[in-house]
Amino acid sequence: NAGVMQNPRHLVRRRGQEARLRCSPMKGHSHVYWYRQLPEEGLKFMVYLQKENIIDESGMPKERFSAEFPKEGPSILRIQQVVRGDSAAYFCASSRDIQETQYFGPGTRLLVL
Amino acid sequence: GENVEQHPSTLSVQEGDSAVIKCTYSDSASNYFPWYKQELGKRPQLIIDIRSNVGEKKDQRIAVTLNKTAKHFSLHITETQPEDSAVYFCAGPSGGGADGLTFGKGTHLIIQP
Repeated sequence: NAGVMQNPRHLVRRRGQEARLRCSPMKGHSHVYWYRQLPEEGLKFMVYLQKENIIDESGMPKERFSAEFPKEGPSILRIQQVVRGDSAAYFCASSRDIQETQYFGPGTRLLVL
Repeated sequence: GENVEQHPSTLSVQEGDSAVIKCTYSDSASNYFPWYKQELGKRPQLIIDIRSNVGEKKDQRIAVTLNKTAKHFSLHITETQPEDSAVYFCAGPSGGGADGLTFGKGTHLIIQP
């Protein structure tokens, strides 16, 4: 029973480039959440998606950030025109239903040079 | 302000002693409170959770208590061991109609040999 998968595990981008982070939820889970963690800090909620729908994006920056969870394939968190302040660990979590246990993936560590 | 507040930020205890971490929340509609453990460079992992229809839950050396009236919940670790050293996060619903979890800022637990 594979857990939540994320790739890549590490991503290096130069300022102005695009970053694409992928998340495959656990089998049987249709709810996906993205969180950002800065060094030595806690996890900040960004966005919550179900298949083909964004349910809650209240934690997502208004510009440059977008997320999707298509009918087929993984959820994608996309950051356009990255800046140094985007450097962080981005964790994806999935759950079977809302307010059920969220299981986290290994994270993608983004470094913007 | 923050929907979930966590204290202390750092806790150092002697091996074998007990550790207690406390969180408060503001959304009275909250009914699900998980605790996560995160070791350095790794993903957050659920260690215990509690729902609002119970006041206490135990799993071996770990227990969580919930006081709905006072809106606080606590993590208790007894007979601490070196492998308990990690950052611990409490979480509660984001509130305000949002569906993701709001995490506390974390407690860095250090077990002194």
